[in-house]
Amino acid sequence: DAKTTQPNSMESNEEEPVHLPCNHSTISGTDYIHWYRQLPSQGPEYVIHGLTSNVNNRMASLAIAEDRKSSTLILHRATLRDAAVYYCIFTRYNAGNMLTFGGGTRLMVKP
Amino acid sequence: DAGVTQSPTHLIKTRGQHVTLRCSPISGHKSVSWYQQVLGQGPQFIFQYYEKEERGRGNFPDRFSARQFPNYSSELNVNALLLGDSALYLCASSYLSRPTADTEAFFGQGTRLTVV
Repeated sequence: DAKTTQPNSMESNEEEPVHLPCNHSTISGTDYIHWYRQLPSQGPEYVIHGLTSNVNNRMASLAIAEDRKSSTLILHRATLRDAAVYYCIFTRYNAGNMLTFGGGTRLMVKP
Repeated sequence: DAGVTQSPTHLIKTRGQHVTLRCSPISGHKSVSWYQQVLGQGPQFIFQYYEKEERGRGNFPDRFSARQFPNYSSELNVNALLLGDSALYLCASSYLSRPTADTEAFFGQGTRLTVV
């Protein structure tokens, strides 16, 4: 099984950056790293994904360690709307949508 | 554009009954996956269909089955319902020219199934 380790919960202040860590020590060279988040009473929402290089999009940045055994999701300015459970997932390159979710990190954002 | 739509949104069934859940993917998406999310846990993968063929199956009993239709919509069927089948059932679709993980999945809002 594709297992990741994340803190159960984290807290942040509104408008401050947030760094969400993830360990994936059993990742192989062709596995992709994905992040999804789930707001209360909604389905998961794609945030970002990458393979080896750091990635940026309008929602967040993904920093991948050189040995690829860990990664960090960076929210540059947290808003109240970012309060959600964040899931870090790594997926075999030919797995398509077969995502193995763990427990995730519950992010709380204080005004 | 419409996102992934699932029906019904809520459902109550009795133990031993059968249930059919439906999913319409985003237009142009050929891959559909199903997940089960028990309260307080992350979603668990059940099935993936790509171009109407089963491409993956999670660790679920044979009571769970699914299919994908020529228009790429999908049904998840669960027979002989147990109390433990109570969960949020999520459908996700992706635009895949081939079954690769280098793409994002779009999730629906889910069907909340309660078995009594």
